[in-house]
Amino acid sequence: GIQVEQSPPDLILQEGANSTLRCNFSDSVNNLQWFHQNPWGQLINLFYIPSGTKQNGRLSATTVATERYSLLYISSSQTTDSGVYFCAVGPSSNFNKFYFGSGTKLNVKP
Amino acid sequence: DADVTQTPRNRITKTGKRIMLECSQTKGHDRMYWYRQDPGLGLRLIYYSFDVKDINKGEISDGYSVSRQAQAKFSLSLESAIPNQTALYFCATREGDEQYFGPGTRLTVT
Repeated sequence: GIQVEQSPPDLILQEGANSTLRCNFSDSVNNLQWFHQNPWGQLINLFYIPSGTKQNGRLSATTVATERYSLLYISSSQTTDSGVYFCAVGPSSNFNKFYFGSGTKLNVKP
Repeated sequence: DADVTQTPRNRITKTGKRIMLECSQTKGHDRMYWYRQDPGLGLRLIYYSFDVKDINKGEISDGYSVSRQAQAKFSLSLESAIPNQTALYFCATREGDEQYFGPGTRLTVT
């Protein structure tokens, strides 16, 4: 299956700081989603972004499919941003499957 | 977003017991998925289904079975639970290119 690598694995920020999370993948994809897993374990959809750039409030994401990476930007971080951020990709060779990275664990301190 | 529910939310069981995890959704999505998440890792696909007659194995189907009783219901069974099946289990539905996750079931096998 496709390999998905996320970096950094852990990140500690002071409230108000900005950050960039990266997702690299090993093969061409036609589907990419970013999720936030909150401290209670719930997975929340952030972006569906197989290519291009999207913004939603303080969060934005960019995927450069030809170079096989995606970036998630968090600006003016808040303590509620804490949790684990996952990238999930759907390979072009198999529309039906998703492969997840191991996540970036973010801790925003007040 | 899809309204995806999972029962039970938490379960402790003993080695060798049969256990069923249930998933229901109210949005009429055809595609449904079961994943497991181990500590510090991303989600891995167990089984997926396109409709009641179409069941497919994922990456880690050994030791699990599923049943798609209706479009809205997709159950995961552990025929004889073992301790390394202790994990957080997620059900998901898919509409178009986006997946929507249930709240998860935390399963502990002692």
